[in-house]
Amino acid sequence: DAGVIQSPRHEVTEMGQEVTLRCKPISGHDYLFWYRQTMMRGLELLIYFNNNVPIDDSGMPEDRFSAKMPNASFSTLKIQPSEPRDSAVYFCASSLGDRTYGYTFGSGTRLTVV
Amino acid sequence: SQKIEQNSEALNIQEGKTATLTCNYTNYSPAYLQWYRQDPGRGPVFLLLIRENEKEKRKERLKVTFDTTLKQSLFHITASQPADSATYLCALEEERNYGGSQGNLIFGKGTKLSVKP
Repeated sequence: DAGVIQSPRHEVTEMGQEVTLRCKPISGHDYLFWYRQTMMRGLELLIYFNNNVPIDDSGMPEDRFSAKMPNASFSTLKIQPSEPRDSAVYFCASSLGDRTYGYTFGSGTRLTVV
Repeated sequence: SQKIEQNSEALNIQEGKTATLTCNYTNYSPAYLQWYRQDPGRGPVFLLLIRENEKEKRKERLKVTFDTTLKQSLFHITASQPADSATYLCALEEERNYGGSQGNLIFGKGTKLSVKP
């Protein structure tokens, strides 16, 4: 398996633009997580899904952020409109129902909003 | 307030020594605690999970302890090597009332370990 695949790897956009980050989880994993990492705040959970259903979105900063999981093999995180304070590395992770194996993270998307 | 604190931002040790990293938490009741390794420009990689009813878990040169009274986990790397240089993150998960399903995994900010030859 190729692991968790995220795209793009880097994104530079202007303030006010819409940004869409994409994630393909590992086949057979039924949990999907979106995290954001900054130097100041570390890794923060934004939202997670179980069997394509959003379970907890309490970490989503505000209404500008939205996430979808239309099927078991694809998820998106959208920011509209983007702001400079959204600049961070965004990680997608997936896991089996058995937490013994932990989470498998993608390589992340480095977002810069100028 | 709830906090997860890892003992220091950086730890420098000599090759061959044992590295000990600390994770302390406040106002959490974790059912599970995990440790991850993160290299620059990469996502975290899962290393070990320990449950609240387990005192110790080992995997090759790695050992994790979990003391719910002290609210602390220790992560040890024995016979450390330069290749062990990375940032190590602890993460805890509280039991959720979702029929045993997984809940939020909350991460500390990590400790950057440097092993000098």
